[in-house]
Amino acid sequence: DTGVSQDPRHKITKRGQNVTFRCDPISEHNRLYWYRQTLGQGPEFLTYFQNEAQLEKSRLLSDRFSAERPKGSFSTLEIQRTEQGDSAMYLCASSLDPGELFFGEGSRLTVL
Amino acid sequence: KQEVTQIPAALSVPEGENLVLNCSFTDSAIYNLQWFRQDPGKGLTSLLLIQSSQREQTSGRLNASLDKSSGRSTLYIAASQPGDSATYLCAVRPQGAGSYQLTFGKGTKLSVIP
Repeated sequence: DTGVSQDPRHKITKRGQNVTFRCDPISEHNRLYWYRQTLGQGPEFLTYFQNEAQLEKSRLLSDRFSAERPKGSFSTLEIQRTEQGDSAMYLCASSLDPGELFFGEGSRLTVL
Repeated sequence: KQEVTQIPAALSVPEGENLVLNCSFTDSAIYNLQWFRQDPGKGLTSLLLIQSSQREQTSGRLNASLDKSSGRSTLYIAASQPGDSATYLCAVRPQGAGSYQLTFGKGTKLSVIP
């Protein structure tokens, strides 16, 4: 068990470009979460999957954001037409049922 | 709307001291509470999970308590070490079916001075 894996660890992009982050959860975990964290703040919930179904979305997840979890395995989070306000750490977590969450190392996005 | 507050925002202690970090939440209808550690630029490491029916959990030098009715949790760290220096975050999950989002505090930044 290698834990939750996220890729890339750091992405620098220009405003208006699209970016995609990938998360590989702990293999037996059926639940997967995305959070966003800005400097000095706690993580904020973005969205949640149970297997392949996206069951919960935050109002923070504007229509420029889309997340998928095909086949209930890895997940991707895509941000279209990035804005400077999207600069943040994007954290993925997984869990078995509503239990303990295990987070990855995060993907840091810098929008220039 | 659930709000989670962590006081103090920062804490500096000499090595070897015992210390307590505080977490308070406004809505006592929680399913569980989890404490995390975060090193600079890194993800979150789970420390302890307390279910709403539990009063405390222990792991090594760490002990977390939960008083749901008063909306408070504490994380006790015994015999602090420089390697304990990090930001400590607490998060609560709401009770009831259908919501799995954690609400986090802003964290307490701990510095343990050798």
